[in-house]
Amino acid sequence: GQSLEQPSEVTAVEGAIVQINCTYQTSGFYGLSWYQQHDGGAPTFLSYNALDGLEETGRFSSFLSRSDSYGYLLLQELQMKDSASYFCAVSWVANNQGGKLIFGQGTELSVKP
Amino acid sequence: GAGVSQSPRYKVTKRGQDVALRCDPISGHVSLYWYRQALGQGPEFLTYFNYEAQQDKSGLPNDRFSAERPEGSISTLTIQRTEQRDSAMYRCASSREAGPPASYEQYFGPGTRLTVT
Repeated sequence: GQSLEQPSEVTAVEGAIVQINCTYQTSGFYGLSWYQQHDGGAPTFLSYNALDGLEETGRFSSFLSRSDSYGYLLLQELQMKDSASYFCAVSWVANNQGGKLIFGQGTELSVKP
Repeated sequence: GAGVSQSPRYKVTKRGQDVALRCDPISGHVSLYWYRQALGQGPEFLTYFNYEAQQDKSGLPNDRFSAERPEGSISTLTIQRTEQRDSAMYRCASSREAGPPASYEQYFGPGTRLTVT
């Protein structure tokens, strides 16, 4: 089976940097994705890592270490609008026919002024 | 269309009734996914399609749940003989292509809030 662990809540101040960690246990692992969800909204894709290392997309970066079954999402120059829930998700692929995503429980980020 | 659409947005039904939830993916997207999301939880995988073929239905809770995508575009998730425990937000997502890396990037619809009374 698959399981993911991420902190339930994180609080930070505007302009700061915050790191949201995700550890996973899964067979058939292919990659780690990150999604953002504002209250009442749909999850939106932020980034993914299939290989070890850091991927940067604007203020957001995501890191993966396959050997440690660990990844994180780094948010820089925090803004109030970044207050949302953040989900890591492992992509599980069978026979290269595309994959379902298994989501973590989510981390609620609160950005304070 | 501009994004994934789902209908109805809200559905209240009585226990024992059947419901059909519709998903219209982004035009041209090959893969379509169904998830269920409880409040304060991450989306829970139900099933997915590549074109019209159902690739994985391992997440469907029981045989009251079924899904189809007969022409490889619009999909319907059907719940028969609904029970109160079926109450949840049901979300549909689509991805441009089958397989990674496209399958990592899924576009979610607004969801259907199902309430079974």
